[in-house]
This record gives sequence, structure tokens and C-alpha cells, in this order.
Amino acid sequence: GQQVMQIPQYQHVQEGEDFTTYCNSSTTLSNIQWYKQRPGGHPVFLIQLVKSGEVKKQKRLTFQFGEAKKNSSLHITATQTTDVGTYFCAGLTGNQFYFGTGTSLTVIP
Amino acid sequence: ETGVTQTPRHLVMGMTNKKSLKCEQHLGHNAMYWYKQSAKKPLELMFVYSLEERVENNSVPSRFSPECPNSSHLFLHLHTLQPEDSALYLCASSQDRASGGLGGEQYFGPGTRLTVT
Repeated sequence: GQQVMQIPQYQHVQEGEDFTTYCNSSTTLSNIQWYKQRPGGHPVFLIQLVKSGEVKKQKRLTFQFGEAKKNSSLHITATQTTDVGTYFCAGLTGNQFYFGTGTSLTVIP
Repeated sequence: ETGVTQTPRHLVMGMTNKKSLKCEQHLGHNAMYWYKQSAKKPLELMFVYSLEERVENNSVPSRFSPECPNSSHLFLHLHTLQPEDSALYLCASSQDRASGGLGGEQYFGPGTRLTVT
């Protein structure tokens, strides 16, 4: 069945280092969304990508959607302690959203 | 605050109890969702209502019963649950296409932490 795989599952970085999480779908996606969930919190929408090869930036965060619309990545430049949390991708196929397993980011001061 | 509220925030229930979870969105959205979040598992979509009609039901056991009386309110009725149903239950809403097609950004509520004993 449809799956959205996300790697890595966990990432520990020193503050100031970069971080990247990757999302891969077994099927072509209509769009992909990214969410951040702080410890003890709920997912918060970050961004949506729709077009093949699309790249969007939000300050230190860069989001990419693959040419085949089957993969996506989130890159954070120079991490800060406020970046701590779990980052989820969610791919839309038909009328169904499939969430990735999430990447838990720990930033060591 | 995201404009989506959920009550109760915590619930402990026995396997023979009947309880309901409530979700309310104040964003004027036309779609609402129930998700289950268990440790070390992806968010699992349980139910989707778009324009107050159920769009998706991902083979959820019948012990979970959703109700959407209007576009602002969503309930999840629970009965004879199992311990493995213990999880964080998240409600979300989005503004989707008028035709009922999904795709809008989702706003999540704080969730109900459910423990089944």
C-alpha cells in the first residue's frame, strides 16, 4: 500500500550545524506538506509544496519537492535550540494524506 | 493558539466505558479530521469530513464512531476500547476546495491523551 518513508528517525546535532530530513513516497503525490511538532505539543503546519521541483525557503529552512513528485526534503541551516522537535512530511494522494514517521531533532547547545 | 480546541485533554477509561471526544474549530474551515498518534508510529488518519460529509474512513474499528453535526464541530464516540487504543487523538481542520477535494494546510488541536485500562 501507499507509504511515505521518512529518514532519519532521529538526529542529534550541535547547535550551529545543519540538518536535513528526507521524505520518500512509493507513489506520485499531488502535494506535500511539512509540519513541526514540539515535545508535548501538536503538529504545526510549516509549508506546502505543489509543483514538481519546487523549492521554498523560510528563513533558515529550505524545502524541496522532487521532480517526480515522489520525494521531498527539509533542510535547516545553522540549527538553533528552538528548532528542537519532530518534523513530519505529509503527502497527498487522491483524497488521502499519508504522514511520514517523522524525524526527531535534538539540538545540543 | 491554532483556533482548534479539543476536550478533554486527558481521558482515562475502562474497556467497558463509553466516552466522547470533542473538537471545535473557530477558523471557518470546511474539512475536519481525526488522527491517532501512537509512539513510534506515523500519524494515522482515522476519519475525514469535508463539507460535513464523511470522505474517508480508513478501516477504523467500529468501536470508534465519528459524528460531525456541523462544519465547526467534530466528535469521536468511543466504546468498548482496547488497551492498544491508548494514544494521543488529534483533531485537525482545513479549508479545502469547494468540491470537497482535500489538500489545504491542516490546523491541529492540542489533542486528547487517551489511556484505556
